[in-house]
Amino acid sequence: QSALTQPASVSGSPGQSITISCTGTSSDVGSYNLVSWYQQHPGKAPKLMISEVNKRPSGVSNRFSGSKSGNTASLTISGLQADDEADYYCCSYAGSSTFLVFGGGTKLTVL
Amino acid sequence: EVQLVESGGGLVQPGGSLRLSCVASGFTFITFSSYTMTWVRQAPGKGLEWVSSISGGGGDTYYAGSVKGRFTISRDNSKNTLYLQMNSLRAEDTAVYYCAKDLRQWIQVWSYDNWGQGTLVTVSS
Repeated sequence: QSALTQPASVSGSPGQSITISCTGTSSDVGSYNLVSWYQQHPGKAPKLMISEVNKRPSGVSNRFSGSKSGNTASLTISGLQADDEADYYCCSYAGSSTFLVFGGGTKLTVL
Repeated sequence: EVQLVESGGGLVQPGGSLRLSCVASGFTFITFSSYTMTWVRQAPGKGLEWVSSISGGGGDTYYAGSVKGRFTISRDNSKNTLYLQMNSLRAEDTAVYYCAKDLRQWIQVWSYDNWGQGTLVTVSS
């Protein structure tokens, strides 16, 4: 069982927007602005899409955005494209004992 | 462009040991030693799991509870290389092991913008 809770799957049609939630606790997501999101295509290494809750690394499309409210972080993808179909993982710093925790991952299907 | 290449994976019996390496290249005006480095693993068909991190200078190390006392992270900044010594291996350690570089220089933000291709460790008799 993962420390952060994500929906197992989400889907959307091309051009639509979807949001993936990531629910933690007051010991991780709720306490630190150190939430990241990764995209992983089958057989590939993860790719950083969002760091520090809502910062987009250089080269990442502005269709990807992140936010946080309380113990829940969210990743929104607007203008869905076929290549967005992948697994998405959230992770959060969780303090000086546990350090870093990941969500179980969400499979995004573009219909 | 920074590139990370892992090696050292393979088949090992339960209770055995293995040392993974990750060689970093592409550091020009910035130095390998200014970045925290991390190992993340992924069991077959499963999600990502953080394993261990080490500060740029090597003085601070961090471990997941599942590997603490069995795994040791280290680095040789003169060789731009990160290591993971894995002892007392268990079947549940079977995974692809990725090395990854922290996004920010000098500070640790626990986000990783460069990843290697991964090396597979299989623990089985």
